[in-house]
Amino acid sequence: AQKITQTQPGMFVQEKEAVTLDCTYDTSDPSYGLFWYKQPSSGEMIFLIYQGSYDQQNATEGRYSLNFQKARKSANLVISASQLGDSAMYFCAMREMAGGGNKLTFGTGTQLKVEL
Amino acid sequence: KAGVTQTPRYLIKTRGQQVTLSCSPISGHRSVSWYQQTPGQGLQFLFEYFSETQRNKGNFPGRFSGRQFSNSRSEMNVSTLELGDSALYLCASSPGTSYNEQFFGPGTRLTVL
Repeated sequence: AQKITQTQPGMFVQEKEAVTLDCTYDTSDPSYGLFWYKQPSSGEMIFLIYQGSYDQQNATEGRYSLNFQKARKSANLVISASQLGDSAMYFCAMREMAGGGNKLTFGTGTQLKVEL
Repeated sequence: KAGVTQTPRYLIKTRGQQVTLSCSPISGHRSVSWYQQTPGQGLQFLFEYFSETQRNKGNFPGRFSGRQFSNSRSEMNVSTLELGDSALYLCASSPGTSYNEQFFGPGTRLTVL
């Protein structure tokens, strides 16, 4: 079974609008962390935001926020006030603490295109 | 602070050859993880090194190996290259294990002809 599911292969958004990128996950580990990364066409993975499974509040980092719904096992990324530079591939990833270490399991990604 | 560096950035090899890729983590970071990214398989975890010891290993054949030096720099080696090994190889740096921070390098794009 897929541990991380991103159901939107591609998304379009108008500049200055908000956009939500979906991510659902599957784990039996009660302790885990969820990450979002941005990958521009250059290939580098840029860390955006992190949410721990025991965090009570949704994580926010500037224009990025993570809508964490633990019971639904979803961790959607919300980008507010989209900019042209936000056009990139976005990956959701999970680290399960039981396995130890820093192993990340990634979803298949969502290609976001910001339009004028 | 300097970011994660990977060398070389691009590499072209032929089938049957071997290749060594290098990753220098952020200063003070002791954990280095390696990932393979292909259009077909996406991002897959190869292995993680922490304090010169392999902590985790993904489902890759034994042709893929790695090591970490006392200065936390890491190398990965792929022997007997196959066409399917063509990929972007990314390394990620973290202060230790189970930290919230994992920062990636720019990657090494390997093409196998």
